[in-house]
Amino acid sequence: DAKTTQPNSMESNEEEPVHLPCNHSTISGTDYIHWYRQLPSQGPEYVIHGLTSNVNNRMASLAIAEDRKSSTLILHRATLRDAAVYYCILWGGSNYKLTFGKGTLLTVNP
Amino acid sequence: GAGVSQTPSNKVTEKGKYVELRCDPISGHTALYWYRQSLGQGPEFLIYFQGTGAADDSGLPNDRFFAVRPEGSVSTLKIQRTERGDSAVYLCASSLAAQGEQYFGPGTRLTVT
Repeated sequence: DAKTTQPNSMESNEEEPVHLPCNHSTISGTDYIHWYRQLPSQGPEYVIHGLTSNVNNRMASLAIAEDRKSSTLILHRATLRDAAVYYCILWGGSNYKLTFGKGTLLTVNP
Repeated sequence: GAGVSQTPSNKVTEKGKYVELRCDPISGHTALYWYRQSLGQGPEFLIYFQGTGAADDSGLPNDRFFAVRPEGSVSTLKIQRTERGDSAVYLCASSLAAQGEQYFGPGTRLTVT
């Protein structure tokens, strides 16, 4: 499985934008970039995914570098409920299982 | 609608005992997954079901672990002769299709004393 690299932790203030980076230099052409997050004492939940173009949904935006070797998850206005571990996962081809790293622990300050 | 549910939410057992963990997936989801999460780590894949059959059990750590899904809906993860190292949160997820978005349950926290 292709590997992703994320910072161990990040901190943000409430109502400010947050940019969570992910490096995936060994990404293959069929790999989608998925983001899941895990709130305290809960199972992971899907956030967003993309292949080449930037993507937006009600939760976040995903900006993908032109060479696809990195991506950034953008939370436009962080709230206290966004405090969680965010996982960047490469998923594609015939793969069905998610391979999680340690993710980025996001702390949101009031 | 109802999400993925897991029971029990917490289970404490003594070393050497047998435990069963249950997962109720979202209705209509044919794919079901079990993951295990140790403290400070991301979830690790254990087993994947497509319908009633285990399509991939390569993540099961040893033959003490077994999982079934007899009617293609509810799944049970069974652990024999539990060891302290089995202590973790066991997560279940389901998806509409094999490569679809996975919906996770809240997990069962297993503690082996």
